[in-house]
Amino acid sequence: QVQLVQSGAEVKKPGASAKVSCKSSGYTFTSYYMHWVRQAPGQGLEWMGIINPSGGYTTYAQKFQGRVSMTRDTSTSTVYVDLSSLRSEDTAVYFCARAVCGGDCSFDGFDIWGQGTMVIVSS
Amino acid sequence: SSELTQDPAVSVALGQTVRITCQGNRLRSYYVSWYQQKPGQAPVLVIYGTKNRPSGIPDRFSGSSSGNTASLTITGTQAEDEADYYCNSRDSSGNRLVFGGGTKLTVL
Repeated sequence: QVQLVQSGAEVKKPGASAKVSCKSSGYTFTSYYMHWVRQAPGQGLEWMGIINPSGGYTTYAQKFQGRVSMTRDTSTSTVYVDLSSLRSEDTAVYFCARAVCGGDCSFDGFDIWGQGTMVIVSS
Repeated sequence: SSELTQDPAVSVALGQTVRITCQGNRLRSYYVSWYQQKPGQAPVLVIYGTKNRPSGIPDRFSGSSSGNTASLTITGTQAEDEADYYCNSRDSSGNRLVFGGGTKLTVL
């Protein structure tokens, strides 16, 4: 079945970087864009950006420009999000989420979600 | 502040119909998706492309849009529908996405 499995929780110091992975299975990895969404404790969902697993092209939310990098490894069907210069406000659960379909509807919804990865930023 | 505005909380009696709304200046032009999230769980897609229901989602969930307001309607609300609901659509740039602030649905 289609599933996304994310890496485990991380604890980071302020100023460090965190890299979360999301391994896909059960479908053609390069056919569906992947989004990253985060959720701070007790807060709402926040869209971070999107990556095209085929060509590696990315678009990031303005808020994260210059601090985020999304990459992919087609050999392992895995996408990554790397967030640098971490601060306490980056403490959140980070989700990968697959676009509901390929091509032009890549922004129309996310149908498959990873289980989430907790990143805690604390000195 | 989000470009998409949702009521923070809505309540509905068991078995009744509830409409959860999402307002945004760009909703006339772009599709909307809706997500249900229960505590400690990942969100679940309930509506995409404004009015399409994924397989496995009960048909009591429906989506619509008029002007700058999109709506998620639950007809015959069940106790298990109690959750947070988020809308999502493109932002003013057109090539990025944004979530609404979320609506906490309480089933009485």
